[in-house]
Amino acid sequence: KNQVEQSPQSLIILEGKNCTLQCNYTVSPFSNLRWYKQDTGRGPVSLTIMTFSENTKSNGRYTATLDADTKQSSLHITASQLSDSASYICVVSATRGSTLGRLYFGRGTQLTVWP
Amino acid sequence: DSGVTQTPKHLITATGQRVTLRCSPRSGDLSVYWYQQSLDQGLQFLIQYYNGEERAKGNILERFSAQQFPDLHSELNLSSLELGDSALYFCASSVVEGLETQYFGPGTRLLVL
Repeated sequence: KNQVEQSPQSLIILEGKNCTLQCNYTVSPFSNLRWYKQDTGRGPVSLTIMTFSENTKSNGRYTATLDADTKQSSLHITASQLSDSASYICVVSATRGSTLGRLYFGRGTQLTVWP
Repeated sequence: DSGVTQTPKHLITATGQRVTLRCSPRSGDLSVYWYQQSLDQGLQFLIQYYNGEERAKGNILERFSAQQFPDLHSELNLSSLELGDSALYFCASSVVEGLETQYFGPGTRLLVL
């Protein structure tokens, strides 16, 4: 069964600290993995997109890693800021020809950054 | 501001009714995606259109339908509404499809009473 599991479900850290969010998936065949940031009540914002051949991708203070062999991804946030408080959603796409294919969503990690 | 607009922002209706949600993609984007986000189900992909044609279907109910018009705006029609259809409905767009970044609109919050 194609699934995406994220951990932890929620996380509280102090401003300025680093943190790492995890995403494990069983989606096959794998096409790509995306990390989104979603502020409460707002639409998700894309952080990174990685394909099978990519191990690491950065976007400012956000660095995503992908291990396609173990089907694991992580999102590392460096020097956290109050504005990083949001839900972080991992999305995995299954290959289906040249189209988008099926999308499998994690339930997200709710990150809260305290001053 | 992502450049994707959605109307209305909020919608309150009764069970059994039908509503239409509208999405205008970013200028130049050919692909439109619809998502549903509820508290118990999280974010779910409903359907994708590319240049007027349906390209991928997700967990879209038969009571729901969508279309993309020649001017590339899209509408999501929800009929025979049930309490469980209460959710945030997001539209996203991308230039083409596949590995493109999707830009999400602000969403339409639907409440079915």
